Amino acid sequence: AQSVTQLGSHVSVSEGALVLLRCNYSSSVPPYLFWYVQYPNQGLQLLLKYTSAATLVKGINGFEAEFKKSETSFHLTKPSAHMSDAAEYFCAVSVGKAAGNKLTFGGGTRVLVKP
Amino acid sequence: NAGVMQNPRHLVRRRGQEARLRCSPMKGHSHVYWYRQLPEEGLKFMVYLQKENIIDESGMPKERFSAEFPKEGPSILRIQQVVRGDSAAYFCASSPGQGLSGNTIYFGEGSWLTVV
Repeated sequence: AQSVTQLGSHVSVSEGALVLLRCNYSSSVPPYLFWYVQYPNQGLQLLLKYTSAATLVKGINGFEAEFKKSETSFHLTKPSAHMSDAAEYFCAVSVGKAAGNKLTFGGGTRVLVKP
Repeated sequence: NAGVMQNPRHLVRRRGQEARLRCSPMKGHSHVYWYRQLPEEGLKFMVYLQKENIIDESGMPKERFSAEFPKEGPSILRIQQVVRGDSAAYFCASSPGQGLSGNTIYFGEGSWLTVV
């Protein structure tokens, strides 16, 4: 079975600083990987996804993530944090065509942006 | 193109009552998923449905919970005899095509259930 671990349940960054959110996965087959963002009391919005094409994936709002098979990682970065980036971020994995789109989520990382 | 629509957004139930949560997938989507988010936790998969079929219910509690996605109308997640531990946000998601892994799934705004 696949699993996702997000290191750090809370991250605090200064406005303009680098945002780095860590995600490691375990899967016995090539995974599909996703990052979602959740604003308070709202649903999840897809930031980006990896589906075995380019290992560096660019998403919305200036975010990008790099798939590293050797490290089983899919860390999310943004060069310069904005106040509007304050939210909770979830990494997720799905595997195998038969699994449909059943996603396994990490525990989430809450980002606080300081002015 | 309207997104995934969930209602009600907020629901308060007394212990022992029934809760019904509705989800209309995005237009053209025939695959529906329900996830539950307990306070301070990530989302946990509950059930995956196609029209008139439950494909995977491995995440559903064995008792009191049921889901359906009829030929006509929204998908419904039903919780009978609710208890305080059922208080959570319930998210519906939908996807197009054949529901293959890697297809983007789109989430609704969620239904927040509070059991008092």
